[in-house]
Amino acid sequence: GAVVSQHPSRVICKSGTSVKIECRSLDFQATTMFWYRQFPKQSLMLMATSNEGSKATYEQGVEKDKFLINHASLTLSTLTVTSAHPEDSSFYICSAREEQGGYNEQFFGPGTRLTVL
Amino acid sequence: AQSVTQLDSQVPVFEEAPVELRCNYSSSVSVYLFWYVQYPNQGLQLLLKYLSGSTLVESINGFEAEFNKSQTSFHLRKPSVHISDTAEYFCAVSDRGSGYSTLTFGKGTMLLVSP
Repeated sequence: GAVVSQHPSRVICKSGTSVKIECRSLDFQATTMFWYRQFPKQSLMLMATSNEGSKATYEQGVEKDKFLINHASLTLSTLTVTSAHPEDSSFYICSAREEQGGYNEQFFGPGTRLTVL
Repeated sequence: AQSVTQLDSQVPVFEEAPVELRCNYSSSVSVYLFWYVQYPNQGLQLLLKYLSGSTLVESINGFEAEFNKSQTSFHLRKPSVHISDTAEYFCAVSDRGSGYSTLTFGKGTMLLVSP
């Protein structure tokens, strides 16, 4: 089956620093990648959708300048949390999809736990 | 726009008992429906999905869900649960119409199976 990896799985950083999270599709080419955020005991909230080679589409309320998304290749998307603050602490999950026509399943990564001190 | 309601935030059940996790959705267009399972500190795994055809869909580990259009529901059931089924379960919906479709998730139901 399709595999999506994320790196790192956990990261702890100081307030004010930037953190980069990588999302890779290991055995397929992901035309579209999604970034979600999940607070403890809550659902996944879509942050942004990125298509390879183009700018990401952010959901309402998500700061584009704070959450920088790059989808430079068909197998890699990165999310950079700039000037992180404690309120950015969360579980970040990416998913990837290969466009083949009709319905295309999203495959989810294992998530990255970000803790900002 | 779509929305998903999972009325139960937590469902405790004894091992080998049956369980039903409820999911209702709202949408102005035709939808695809999904159930995902999330184990602690892990990402989501697709459990089962309804795209078209038979309204009853099954997973390989004994779960099933039935799409009921008139009641706009997609409840998840298992006749006999195991301890290992303890996890968070998310119902999700995606509309059929657009070229790419995003998933809208419910708030999740924690299934707690005890011996």
